[in-house]
Amino acid sequence: DAKTTQPTSMDCAEGRAANLPCNHSTISGNEYVYWYRQIHSQGPQYIIHGLKNNETNEMASLIITEDRKSSTLILPHATLRDTAVYYCIAYYGGATNKLIFGTGTLLAVQP
Amino acid sequence: KAGVTQTPRYLIKTRGQQVTLSCSPISGHRSVSWYQQTPGQGLQFLFEYFSETQRNKGNFPGRFSGRQFSNSRSEMNVSTLELGDSALYLCASSLGAAGTDTQYFGPGTRLTVL
Repeated sequence: DAKTTQPTSMDCAEGRAANLPCNHSTISGNEYVYWYRQIHSQGPQYIIHGLKNNETNEMASLIITEDRKSSTLILPHATLRDTAVYYCIAYYGGATNKLIFGTGTLLAVQP
Repeated sequence: KAGVTQTPRYLIKTRGQQVTLSCSPISGHRSVSWYQQTPGQGLQFLFEYFSETQRNKGNFPGRFSGRQFSNSRSEMNVSTLELGDSALYLCASSLGAAGTDTQYFGPGTRLTVL
C-alpha cells in the first residue's frame, strides 16, 4: 500500500502558485519523497525529490516538514499545461526500484 | 539525451492472443521496471529488471512475463490475453540498482483487448 495520502483534487488559478500537500506520517528515515505528475494518459513525469531539506529545481519547489511527516509541492506560477494528476511517493528502493503509486491529486488549473 | 522509448504506442488484440511490448531505456540506464495502469486499479508494479535479472515481481499472474537484454532493452509479454488486460503499459528506467536512483518513464503502450 502507498505510504502517502493526498487530496483527491485541487483547483488553482492560472498564474498563481499551486501548493499540493502530501502526508507521509509513516515514512522511514531513509525514504525519499518523490513527486511525479501524469498528464492525461501520458507516462508519469518526474518533478522533484527530497529527503530532509527543501529542494528547488526549474519545475517546482519541495518543502518537507522538519518531522518529515508531510511535504508540499509548490508550482510557483501555474499554467494550464500544469493540469495533471500529481503523485507523491515515499521511496527507498533498496533491493528493488518498485514505486508504489497512490491515487494522486488531480490539479485543475483554471484560466 | 533521448528519453525512454516504448513500442508500439498503440495495439489492438483479441482475447486469447499474445502480445510483446518493447522498452528502450535512457542510454546508460541499467534498470527497467514495468507498470500497468487501468482506471480501476491505478498504476501497479509488474516487474523490474537489472542487468538481465528480474529483481522483483508484482502480484500479476504468470501470463505476464518479461526479460531484459544485454543492452538493457526490455520486453514484456502477455499471453492468452483477457479483456481485463486492456491498459496503459508503462516502463521506467533508472541508472542503477540503488533505491535512490530516479526513475524516468516512457510514454506507454496503450493495449486494447477486444
